[in-house]
Amino acid sequence: GQNIDQPTEMTATEGAIVQINCTYQTSGFNGLFWYQQHAGEAPTFLSYNVLDGLEEKGRFSSFLSRSKGYSYLLLKELQMKDSASYLCAVRLPNRKLIWGLGTSLAVNP
Amino acid sequence: DTEVTQTPKHLVMGMTNKKSLKCEQHMGHRAMYWYKQKAKKPPELMFVYSYEKLSINESVPSRFSPECPNSSLLNLHLHALQPEDSALYLCASSQGVRAGLDEQYFGPGTRLTVT
Repeated sequence: GQNIDQPTEMTATEGAIVQINCTYQTSGFNGLFWYQQHAGEAPTFLSYNVLDGLEEKGRFSSFLSRSKGYSYLLLKELQMKDSASYLCAVRLPNRKLIWGLGTSLAVNP
Repeated sequence: DTEVTQTPKHLVMGMTNKKSLKCEQHMGHRAMYWYKQKAKKPPELMFVYSYEKLSINESVPSRFSPECPNSSLLNLHLHALQPEDSALYLCASSQGVRAGLDEQYFGPGTRLTVT
């Protein structure tokens, strides 16, 4: 079976740094994606990892360890607009995305 | 243009109605997807079209019928739906390349209510 685990909810303070973890056990692996979804809106692409290591993109970074089945999304200099759900998704070799249930992040002033 | 558009934004239909959801992209993408999303849940894949051919059908009931008239358009025909089919229906597209990033771009969704 396919399984992706992420924390359900997290809270952080404006200006701080937060790390959202994702662990996965899947029948194959062809890349890991992070998407952001604001309430009532469509998911938007944040980052992609297919090789081990850190990918940095402005205030957002994502890390992958394939041997551990582990990824994290790091958000720096948090802003109120970062309050959203963050979805981890693993792409299988047949191109299908397996989604985690999402982490709801609340950023407080 | 990195936009996927969907119409209508909202749809209320009875269980005996027939309606269609429409999706359009002009990014030259060759893969298009239909997802269903319930509140506080991740998107649930329904169908994938690759180069205008249906490549994945996730055992979706036949009351949902996809159609890909050309590489820019994707439709979802709805007939005899049930109240539990009420959800946000998301369309997405990607380049459709076999390797590399191939991230999916999502449309804003159609909020469907079945009464």
